Amino acid sequence: GAVVSQHPSRVICKSGTSVKIECRSLDFQATTMFWYRQFPKQSLMLMATSNEGSKATYEQGVEKDKFLINHASLTLSTLTVTSAHPEDSSFYICSAVGGPGFNYGYTFGSGTRLTVV
Amino acid sequence: AQKVTQAQTEISVVEKEDVTLDCVYETRDTTYYLFWYKQPPSGELVFLIRRNSFDEQNEISGRYSWNFQKSTSSFNFTITASQVVDSAVYFCALRSGNTPLVFGKGTRLSVIA
Repeated sequence: GAVVSQHPSRVICKSGTSVKIECRSLDFQATTMFWYRQFPKQSLMLMATSNEGSKATYEQGVEKDKFLINHASLTLSTLTVTSAHPEDSSFYICSAVGGPGFNYGYTFGSGTRLTVV
Repeated sequence: AQKVTQAQTEISVVEKEDVTLDCVYETRDTTYYLFWYKQPPSGELVFLIRRNSFDEQNEISGRYSWNFQKSTSSFNFTITASQVVDSAVYFCALRSGNTPLVFGKGTRLSVIA
């Protein structure tokens, strides 16, 4: 079945540093990946849509210069949180479009819990 | 615009009770897909079911069952004989075409032994 690997699962970083989160489709090609953010006890909110080989599309209110998304290949998308601050602490999760039943469902990574101290 | 409403924020039941989680959706598309996901404390999203808009048959999978009714735009989820391991946050979601999933706010289910 379709598998999406997301790393790291947990990261703690100091305020002002940058953190890179990777999302890989292991056994299929993902032309589109979505990045979501989830604050504690809240729902998943879409941050951006990344398409392989093109610039990401960001949702309203998401700073594209702060959350850098790169989708350089059909199996890898990365989210870099630049100059992280405590308010960026959240659960980040990606999903990839593709794989078996391509038109029907999306496969999610296992998520990354970011804590900025 | 697409919208998913899960009116129940938190539900608490005693083990072995049946529980129904409600989901109401809004979309103008005639072709769409509905999903339920379980999110345990670890955070990962566990896929439970996908339903397309042309298939209104109810589905049963073990202790889980789903009731899809287009007339009321609802896609409710019932857990029969609940167990402590069912404690989690459950999300209903909607999409059409290749758009991203739109999630409801989730229902936190606590099953007490």
